[in-house]
Amino acid sequence: DGGITQSPKYLFRKEGQNVTLSCEQNLNHDAMYWYRQDPGQGLRLIYYSQIVNDFQKGDIAEGYSVSREKKESFPLTVTSAQKNPTAFYLCASSWNNSPLHFGNGTRLTVT
Amino acid sequence: DAKTTQPTSMDCAEGRAANLPCNHSTISGNEYVYWYRQIHSQGPQYIIHGLKNNETNEMASLIITEDRKSSTLILPHATLRDTAVYYCIVFDSGTASKLTFGTGTRLQVTL
Repeated sequence: DGGITQSPKYLFRKEGQNVTLSCEQNLNHDAMYWYRQDPGQGLRLIYYSQIVNDFQKGDIAEGYSVSREKKESFPLTVTSAQKNPTAFYLCASSWNNSPLHFGNGTRLTVT
Repeated sequence: DAKTTQPTSMDCAEGRAANLPCNHSTISGNEYVYWYRQIHSQGPQYIIHGLKNNETNEMASLIITEDRKSSTLILPHATLRDTAVYYCIVFDSGTASKLTFGTGTRLQVTL
């Protein structure tokens, strides 16, 4: 089945460590996105990429980095510079401005 | 900032129609109205979208007012499985990359 896979579902890290969240899609979608969701809040855009080897900052990019070396993959690194990294992270993809398809998210806890 | 306003929460009896309103008074001519829903700890699921005309699919109906400043998502026969947070968003298909979610409406379907 085609879809978006985010792994792992739960991730725990110590403060000060960088951590990379995986997002893979087999939908052949050009565009991919990363959102952050805090409890009781909506989704906020971190980074997005509309084509391989190109990406743009979203509304809350500080403390995060991404890469888009392959069409299928858009990993997100949460760096130690991110002051409040504990959150639910969602990856999405779309094609030709079609509705976004979302993965099931990674819940990151940093202590 | 989100471009839409939705009630924070709503209740609906199982088997009855759930009517979820959304105000988007600043919507521009090229912007579509999209509806997603999110069940706890999962990624948002696309429901329906429209530009001007009312739309219906197997999940729901979307009614957009003539001035396009508001819309209503209708779940014709709500079930317990429809309990979720429903997001109404507006965006220009040419700038889908800046899709922003608000806090949505928490729909509780009860027996």
